[in-house]
Amino acid sequence: DAGVTQSPTHLIKTRGQQVTLRCSPKSGHDTVSWYQQALGQGPQFIFQYYEEEERQRGNFPDRFSGHQFPNYSSELNVNALLLGDSALYLCASSDILAGFDTQYFGPGTRLTVL
Amino acid sequence: ILNVEQSPQSLHVQEGDSTNFTCSFPSSNFYALHWYRWETAKSPEALFVMTLNGDEKKKGRISATLNTKEGYSYLYIKGSQPEDSATYLCAPSHNQAGTALIFGKGTTLSVSS
Repeated sequence: DAGVTQSPTHLIKTRGQQVTLRCSPKSGHDTVSWYQQALGQGPQFIFQYYEEEERQRGNFPDRFSGHQFPNYSSELNVNALLLGDSALYLCASSDILAGFDTQYFGPGTRLTVL
Repeated sequence: ILNVEQSPQSLHVQEGDSTNFTCSFPSSNFYALHWYRWETAKSPEALFVMTLNGDEKKKGRISATLNTKEGYSYLYIKGSQPEDSATYLCAPSHNQAGTALIFGKGTTLSVSS
């Protein structure tokens, strides 16, 4: 059973560019959450998708957007990249009906903005 | 904005030592408390999810307790081994299932052999 997978592993972009990160959830999971981990910080919640809709959103600007597909996979898009967007982006999946839904994390995508 | 505090920030122990970490969180609207272990270059791994005041969970040499009334949880590692070296993150969730996890900065444990 494949766990949560993310692509790409690493990415280098320049300021002002746009980036798309991808996530495939663990088999049987229908909910995907995205987190940003900046250096020295714990992961910060960006947003969560369920049934192809944004269910909950953290304190991130509109430059951060996402999408969930019918197969439950998800994308995170960041427009007009800033230096401060350099971070590890983690995707987590869960089964929203499982109760106390433990979120299972992927290995992350390391984004560097130059 | 929820404030989750973890202490100590980092810890270095010798193999065989026992150790413990603290996670403090707002107790209002508490729903569940998650502990994760995150080894370098790997995915964060779920250790425990606890919901009830007084809950105790155990997995091998690692155990955790929960006090929802005062808003804290302890994680204990008995007889630390080098493979326990990792960052340990706690994350409460509030209000209901499926809500965001609010992570602390973590406690980084290094175990020397």
